[in-house]
Amino acid sequence: AQKITQTQPGMFVQEKEAVTLDCTYDTSDQSYGLFWYKQPSSGEMIFLIYQGSYDEQNATEGRYSLNFQKARKSANLVISASQLGDSAMYFCAMREGSGGYNKLIFGAGTRLAVHP
Amino acid sequence: GAGVSQSPRYKVTKRGQDVALRCDPISGHVSLYWYRQALGQGPEFLTYFNYEAQQDKSGLPNDRFSAERPEGSISTLTIQRTEQRDSAMYRCASSLSQGSVADLQFFGPGTRLTVL
Repeated sequence: AQKITQTQPGMFVQEKEAVTLDCTYDTSDQSYGLFWYKQPSSGEMIFLIYQGSYDEQNATEGRYSLNFQKARKSANLVISASQLGDSAMYFCAMREGSGGYNKLIFGAGTRLAVHP
Repeated sequence: GAGVSQSPRYKVTKRGQDVALRCDPISGHVSLYWYRQALGQGPEFLTYFNYEAQQDKSGLPNDRFSAERPEGSISTLTIQRTEQRDSAMYRCASSLSQGSVADLQFFGPGTRLTVL
């Protein structure tokens, strides 16, 4: 079974609108971390936001927020007030405690296109 | 330097040749990771170092792949007798500590390897 599933290969959003990128995960660990990275066309990997499995509050970083639903094993990224510069590939990733926290497991990614 | 650096940025080689990819992590970062990213996919874990010790090499696809970090800083990923299927982006990441679920990995720009 896939550890990280991103079911949306591509998404479109109008500038200034909000968009939700889906991510579901599969783990039997109690302790784990969830990350979102942005990869623009330049190819760099930019960290956006982190959510720990024991965190009670949803993480927020500026225009980014993580809708963490532990029982459903989902960690969706919400981008508010989309900007043209948000057009990029977005990856959800997980780090598991049983793995010694020594690697990130990535999903296949979602390509977001922001239209003016 | 300010971030993780990798060299070369691009490498074109002929099938059967050996290649060495270099990673220079952020100064003071204890942990170093290698990932491979196929086009249109998320990065996949290859191997992990804690200081100079290679603690996890479970992601290395076969024995043609090896990695070292002899002084606990710069790391080299070597691919022997390259094959066309080895063509991918090879990414290095480093983090300040190890063993923490929240430990943030900073990625380098990657080396784009093309095997003809």
